[in-house]
Amino acid sequence: EVQLVESGGGLIQPGGSLRLSCAASGLNVSSNYMSWVRQAPGKGLEWVSGIYRGGRTDFADSVKGRFTISRDNSQNTLYLQMNSLRAEDTAFYYCATFTILKDWGQGTLVTVSS
Amino acid sequence: DIQVTQSPSSLSASVGDRVTITCQASQDIKYYLNWYQHKPGKAPKLLIYDASNLETGVPSRFSGSGSGTDFTFTITSLQPEDIATYYCRQYYDLPGTFGPGTNVVIK
Repeated sequence: EVQLVESGGGLIQPGGSLRLSCAASGLNVSSNYMSWVRQAPGKGLEWVSGIYRGGRTDFADSVKGRFTISRDNSQNTLYLQMNSLRAEDTAFYYCATFTILKDWGQGTLVTVSS
Repeated sequence: DIQVTQSPSSLSASVGDRVTITCQASQDIKYYLNWYQHKPGKAPKLLIYDASNLETGVPSRFSGSGSGTDFTFTITSLQPEDIATYYCRQYYDLPGTFGPGTNVVIK
C-alpha cells in the first residue's frame, strides 16, 4: 500500500521561502512520475509541479521561476522548494503519484500572510 | 493547452438519486480522463481512470464513460457519504488539466 505524508507547511510572510516534503512508502519516488497539486481556499485543484522518472521537471506558469521540485532517493522523499511566496500561493499542497494521480497524501497547509 | 469544462458546477440531489456530471475537453483526448472525489479536509481520491475503469476499492455505484472530447461520470444511487466535490482531469497532454469541479450536496 502506498502512503504519502506531506510536511513543511506553515505561516510565512510574503517573499519568504518554505520547503515542503512528501515522504513516501510503498513505492520509489525515483522510479515514478510524482506531482504536487494544490487547492487554494474556495478554489479547485491546481497542478503545481511534476518530476519524471528521468529527472525532467515541469511547473505551472504561476510558480515557474519561484518553485523547484526535487527528490531524495535515499530518503524516498519528494520536495517542493517554494521561494518568493505570494498571498496567492496560500493553499493546501498535496503530493500525488503517477500520471493518473493515483495516490495522494493528506496535504500540508501553506499560508502566506503578513 | 487542452481546456476542460465540467458541468454542472454544483448540484443538489436526494439520497438514492442518479447523479450525472459531464466533462468536455477542448480537443480529442482519447480515453485519457480521470475522475476524482474530494471531501473537505481529506486527500483527493481517484475514482475512475482512463474514462471508465473503476479504481480498486471504489463502490460500483460510481461509473464513467466517454471518449474523445465528451465524458460522463455517474453515481447511480447517491449516498450521504458521496457529498464532495468531483473533478475530471485530462492527462492526454501532461501535466494534465483539471476541470473546475462539481459540488454535490444532498437535497
